[in-house]
Amino acid sequence: GIQVEQSPPDLILQEGANSTLRCNFSDSVNNLQWFHQNPWGQLINLFYIPSGTKQNGRLSATTVATERYSLLYISSSQTTDSGVYFCAGPPEQNFVFGPGTRLSVLP
Amino acid sequence: DAGVTQSPTHLIKTRGQQVTLRCSPKSGHDTVSWYQQALGQGPQFIFQYYEEEERQRGNFPDRFSGHQFPNYSSELNVNALLLGDSALYLCASSLNRLAGGFIWVEQFFGPGTRLTVL
Repeated sequence: GIQVEQSPPDLILQEGANSTLRCNFSDSVNNLQWFHQNPWGQLINLFYIPSGTKQNGRLSATTVATERYSLLYISSSQTTDSGVYFCAGPPEQNFVFGPGTRLSVLP
Repeated sequence: DAGVTQSPTHLIKTRGQQVTLRCSPKSGHDTVSWYQQALGQGPQFIFQYYEEEERQRGNFPDRFSGHQFPNYSSELNVNALLLGDSALYLCASSLNRLAGGFIWVEQFFGPGTRLTVL
């Protein structure tokens, strides 16, 4: 099956800093979502982004399906951005999730 | 607009017992998927239900079974519980669309049920 890698595995930022999280797939995907899992375990939808670029406030995401990667940009980070960020693949690959990037934003 | 709801929030069972977890999908969604998330790992797909039938299944033993009701809500049943079944169980709902030869699926997750097996 498809393999998903996320980098970096851990990231510590000072409040106000910017960051880029990466998700790599071993094969091209036509369905990709980014999620934020908060400390209570709730998975929150960030982006449904099979291809192209989307922006939502301080967050934006870009997927280049033909090159098998997606990037999540967080600008002006806040302490509430802390948690684990996951990317997930398509239904034909059993919605495989990456291992996540654990982000800690310090005040 | 109610989101995805799950019950119970926490559950403690002993080895060998059976457990049933419940999920109500987001309004307007007809498809429910279940995931298991062990501590420190990403969610793993268990199965998906659509039109009251299991449409897709991940790499889980048949101790894991499910059901979908006419109102689209769903249950996850786990028999003969093992210590390794301790995890956060997540339910996701979606309204799948077929376009351009692909299935477009945006999933929305519930808060999860934390199962502890002693």
